[in-house]
Amino acid sequence: DTEVTQTPKHLVMGMTNKKSLKCEQHMGHRAMYWYKQKAKKPPELMFVYSYEKLSINESVPSRFSPECPNSSLLNLHLHALQPEDSALYLCASSLFTNSNQPQHFGDGTRLSIL
Amino acid sequence: AQSVTQLDSQVPVFEEAPVELRCNYSSSVSVYLFWYVQYPNQGLQLLLKYLSGSTLVKGINGFEAEFNKSQTSFHLRKPSVHISDTAEYFCAVRNSGYALNFGKGTSLLVTP
Repeated sequence: DTEVTQTPKHLVMGMTNKKSLKCEQHMGHRAMYWYKQKAKKPPELMFVYSYEKLSINESVPSRFSPECPNSSLLNLHLHALQPEDSALYLCASSLFTNSNQPQHFGDGTRLSIL
Repeated sequence: AQSVTQLDSQVPVFEEAPVELRCNYSSSVSVYLFWYVQYPNQGLQLLLKYLSGSTLVKGINGFEAEFNKSQTSFHLRKPSVHISDTAEYFCAVRNSGYALNFGKGTSLLVTP
């Protein structure tokens, strides 16, 4: 059982829609991450939050907007996405952003853009 | 930047046979190494990690890995695989940055 919970599991949206992905963890972790994973590829880092503050934005287009309302929640707001944005979006958390802290992943949201 | 190379994109193996999934890393400084498994339609699950200390690391589901500094390798092994081990396996390295740098993955296919 994963300790990082992501909702929804699947999302189909049109290019003009606005939707949000949600991630929740109750392990007391202070670092949270968004990754994007295309089929048959490894995950790619999008954003890092540390103590609810955005630490890293890996040059992600502005149509992806992250938000960390509190230490347990991480959202990814989506607007005007493109078909190439279809992918599995994974949330992860770790105790801190220190390099020796393993990251724990959720099961992801599979996003399809029509 | 630190990186890992997974030498095999696919590894077919018969049930109850041993398996080794290879991973080499590039680094001249201390590294932290991880193996993750991804079952179909799921996220990534941490199998094991090497941070320091003993070079033989034991993980979940009967997997183990050996850190070899001279060969810059961190190969994953299991003495006897099950059908349920069929999955994608990712080796990853993390240094001083925030990101986990993943290898391209190895698809393990276990057949009866």
